[in-house]
Amino acid sequence: IAGITQAPTSQILAAGRRMTLRCTQDMRHNAMYWYRQDLGLGLRLIHYSNTAGTTGKGEVPDGYSVSRANTDDFPLTLASAVPSQTSVYFCASSDSDRGLMYFGPGTRLTVL
Amino acid sequence: GQNIDQPTEMTATEGAIVQINCTYQTSGFNGLFWYQQHAGEAPTFLSYNVLDGLEEKGRFSSFLSRSKGYSYLLLKELQMKDSASYLCAVRDSNYQLIWGAGTKLIIKP
Repeated sequence: IAGITQAPTSQILAAGRRMTLRCTQDMRHNAMYWYRQDLGLGLRLIHYSNTAGTTGKGEVPDGYSVSRANTDDFPLTLASAVPSQTSVYFCASSDSDRGLMYFGPGTRLTVL
Repeated sequence: GQNIDQPTEMTATEGAIVQINCTYQTSGFNGLFWYQQHAGEAPTFLSYNVLDGLEEKGRFSSFLSRSKGYSYLLLKELQMKDSASYLCAVRDSNYQLIWGAGTKLIIKP
């Protein structure tokens, strides 16, 4: 692995279903993030984690949960998907010097 | 509240120069980033400014004025591959990144 990987690449999901988006990084960054990106709204922070074992809420956390059991993995769970959660989801991590952020390739999620 | 403003869309000609502006109002300042995002792809880092002045990196330059809450990204010798969205982001006093909505740059031959 080099950088950040996300899975799945894309998914179509029925409303009400539970879904976990996976994110793994191999850069040993302490901080990790989940963003959603919608047309015209830019990147919006869902949840973040400054270090393994801790998480925090971002701008749009409702309907989502995260966990950070170790440094490398930061899964995002939608407990009961709704159509408004249709979006492109990016996982990111940042280094501790300048706070430079690196992004995974994204997951395109459609909730019907 | 915190806010970052950038133009929604700009058009330029191949071989020309274009300047993308970004103005910000944030709670504190700990650096400004520019990212490039091609359609369907993830954002990738372009430049970082924390002190006033110009940072040059090849065909791309970024300028910062902290007193004016203003930055611009200058792209020279435009190529078709520069067609992308350009995102401005500011790190606030809590070290959270505040993102602009992005500027879609269209390059015409």
